[in-house]
Amino acid sequence: DTAVSQTPKYLVTQMGNDKSIKCEQNLGHDTMYWYKQDSKKFLKIMFSYNNKELIINETVPNRFSPKSPDKAHLNLHINSLELGDSAVYFCASSQERLAAHYNEQFFGPGTRLTVL
Amino acid sequence: TQLLEQSPQFLSIQEGENLTVYCNSSSVFSSLQWYRQEPGEGPVLLVTVVTGGEVKKLKRLTFQFGDARKDSSLHITAAQPGDTGLYLCAGPAGGTSYGKLTFGQGTILTVHP
Repeated sequence: DTAVSQTPKYLVTQMGNDKSIKCEQNLGHDTMYWYKQDSKKFLKIMFSYNNKELIINETVPNRFSPKSPDKAHLNLHINSLELGDSAVYFCASSQERLAAHYNEQFFGPGTRLTVL
Repeated sequence: TQLLEQSPQFLSIQEGENLTVYCNSSSVFSSLQWYRQEPGEGPVLLVTVVTGGEVKKLKRLTFQFGDARKDSSLHITAAQPGDTGLYLCAGPAGGTSYGKLTFGQGTILTVHP
């Protein structure tokens, strides 16, 4: 069974369009994330949700709007797509443990978004 | 902002060679993680180091956390083509308990048969 899944795997679209990426995790985790990986492979966090509540909101244009209908799902909607949005977007999840130094994050396979 | 700098950025070697990847910061981290990402896949956790000076081994991979917890290294002995991939170090981005990670810029390793 796939732990963290994303759809679609590839997304090619025109500038100005609106698109969504879906993410689901079946690990029972309470925290989910969206990351953007640019062409140089740099991985940067965009958003984090804990139990459906937005926890981390990095400096991301407000054209990007995450939505978490339940703690197993975190979707990403992007309005008015721009050329610079082309990247690979990864969803991840983890189980928050307040007493721990760290949380292992489990990543989905990524969605390669190409804006033409 | 806590930054992690990885070196080298690219590494191309022959099968059987040894290599070391470095992850450095001017900040102290409570822990550091190493992930490996294969083409077309998401990163997968290899190891987490928590204690200064800690050494962990995973088959031919040896991970070390610096005594001052500001740096870490990944050493691969007798590299195999299957080790090819992007190696990322990551650490908690200071002061938050919600799992926010700061990633290094990654090291792209290619092992030629």
